[in-house]
Amino acid sequence: QSALTQPPSASESPGQSVTISCTGTSSDVGDYNYVSWYQQHPGKAPKLIIYEVTKRPSGVPDRFSGSKSGNTASLTVSGLQAEDEADYYCSSYAGSSNLVFGGGTKLTVL
Amino acid sequence: EVQLVESGGGLVQPGGSLRLSCAASGFTFNSHYMTWVRQAPGKGLESVAKIKPDGSEKYYADSVKGRFTMSRDNAKNLLYLQMNSLRAEDTGVYYCTREHWWRCDCWGQGVLVTVSS
Repeated sequence: QSALTQPPSASESPGQSVTISCTGTSSDVGDYNYVSWYQQHPGKAPKLIIYEVTKRPSGVPDRFSGSKSGNTASLTVSGLQAEDEADYYCSSYAGSSNLVFGGGTKLTVL
Repeated sequence: EVQLVESGGGLVQPGGSLRLSCAASGFTFNSHYMTWVRQAPGKGLESVAKIKPDGSEKYYADSVKGRFTMSRDNAKNLLYLQMNSLRAEDTGVYYCTREHWWRCDCWGQGVLVTVSS
């Protein structure tokens, strides 16, 4: 199973919004509403911030939102804050109990 | 509080073996799928092995199939990953995760495995 495709980097100024894409295929992102997003700060474990495309776990700010269109999912971070600078990974169910991750996007808050 | 604590990492020579453990607490361990996710240095995440709540079925990434074996002891709330025939490309941080409906909703702190001569 191939990894999902994410841009290696993204950047935006504090207070602005940024969207990170995650492109898969009709066998994973396009076929299931089981897309998740994770935030990882340097030296730390990833943290789940979006699941089932649009849902946020308790405690995750509503500045984080998710969406999907066809084979591409997206994570939008609004009102960027310095602490949002991190690596972001998407994942999707790909059938047959397979979970596939994206290559990650490094978000820089300018 | 849900907690996952990995142990057993370290430096091993190519071709060698290592067993990782993960101690779970704060939730009903025997009700959840569990997954090992690894991250090579400076790289992305890869799901390498998954086990059903009762341990009856296991799933492996092609990259580790035939070399890694995942198991669990539900009486002790412990998860294991036996890694044999280790290669340099197995180097990385290994995370124990709780997988719930195709999302890893809880992660351990990770344990470093280094395969090098």
